[in-house]
Amino acid sequence: DAGVTQSPTHLIKTRGQQVTLRCSPKSGHDTVSWYQQALGQGPQFIFQYYEEEERQRGNFPDRFSGHQFPNYSSELNVNALLLGDSALYLCASSFKLLGQMGEKLFFGSGTQLSVL
Amino acid sequence: QQQVKQSPQSLIVQKGGISIINCAYENTAFDYFPWYQQFPGKGPALLIAIRPDVSEKKEGRFTISFNKSAKQFSLHIMDSQPGDSATYFCAVHQGGAQKLVFGQGTRLTINP
Repeated sequence: DAGVTQSPTHLIKTRGQQVTLRCSPKSGHDTVSWYQQALGQGPQFIFQYYEEEERQRGNFPDRFSGHQFPNYSSELNVNALLLGDSALYLCASSFKLLGQMGEKLFFGSGTQLSVL
Repeated sequence: QQQVKQSPQSLIVQKGGISIINCAYENTAFDYFPWYQQFPGKGPALLIAIRPDVSEKKEGRFTISFNKSAKQFSLHIMDSQPGDSATYFCAVHQGGAQKLVFGQGTRLTINP
């Protein structure tokens, strides 16, 4: 049973560039959330996708956008990269929305983004 | 505004000892309190979780103690092993919200 898979594992970009990160949820899961984890910090919620719609968003600027596909996979896009965007980007999947049956979030290993 | 405060930042315990990590929260609307374990280069993995209607939950060597009146919960690792060396995060969830809010993390080192 494949868990949450993310690609790429590592990425180096320069300021001002755009980046797309990809995530495939755990088998049987239909909800994808994205988190940003800065070095030495806990993960911070970016947004969540369910039924191909953004359901909730954390305190991140519009430069962060996403998409969910009919097969439940998801992309995170970041435009106009800043040095401060350097972080581990984690994708987490669950079955349905949190608070119903999906409290158990399963995280992928993340994409380490470095902005130079 | 930090919704959950975790302590200590780092902890060193001898093999076989008890590791204790604490978290405090403010919002009484939180309804789910998980602990996650993260190894270097990996994403966080759910370790154990508790709801506010119970005061303690035990799974193997891992126990959550929950004090609703004090708005605190803690993770106890009994008979700590070198393989337990990792970063541990507490988190909180509020019903209706679609996110977990994580603590700052505790770097646990178990010396052999």
